[in-house]
Amino acid sequence: NAGVMQNPRHLVRRRGQEARLRCSPMKGHSHVYWYRQLPEEGLKFMVYLQKENIIDESGMPKERFSAEFPKEGPSILRIQQVVRGDSAAYFCASSPVAFRGVRNEQYFGPGTRLTVT
Amino acid sequence: SQQGEEDPQALSIQEGENATMNCSYKTSINNLQWYRQNSGRGLVHLILIRSNEREKHSGRLRVTLDTSKKSSSLLITASRAADTASYFCATDAASYDKVIFGPGTSLSVIP
Repeated sequence: NAGVMQNPRHLVRRRGQEARLRCSPMKGHSHVYWYRQLPEEGLKFMVYLQKENIIDESGMPKERFSAEFPKEGPSILRIQQVVRGDSAAYFCASSPVAFRGVRNEQYFGPGTRLTVT
Repeated sequence: SQQGEEDPQALSIQEGENATMNCSYKTSINNLQWYRQNSGRGLVHLILIRSNEREKHSGRLRVTLDTSKKSSSLLITASRAADTASYFCATDAASYDKVIFGPGTSLSVIP
């Protein structure tokens, strides 16, 4: 059973370009979470998605950032018109369906390290 | 905010010693999780303890949870150089649909 896959592992973009980060959850997992980790900081929640639905995007910046988890294919975190401050590691995690309202642990991907030059 | 806060921020010990890290949080939780992150790598899930559990073991790891004090501790016994990493606690709150991470404890185990 393959783990959570993220690609690319490293992404370099110039200011103003678009960045697309992909996340394939573990088989059988229908919940996906995106986190951002700035250098020397802990992880910060960005968005929580289920298939075709955004459940909680309270951690997403209001502009330039968007996320989707289509019925088929990976979850995509999209950053438009990137700026230097977007340079960070972006982690995706997946978890199985909640059982009796108590969610299980999250399984993390290796992360995508975005560098904006 | 119900963010977990780890203590200490950084810890340096000799190989073979025990390492204890603490985590405090603010609101009621469903469970609390500990993760490890090696430098430049993704997170690895270590252990999950549910709100109705008080102690859990996994190999050299021992996690305790005190819901009355809203705190948890992670004990790594007989530490090894390979345990050098950042350790994060994450709380899964009863009223939220997301997991909140603390800033982490950076552990250095000196051979």
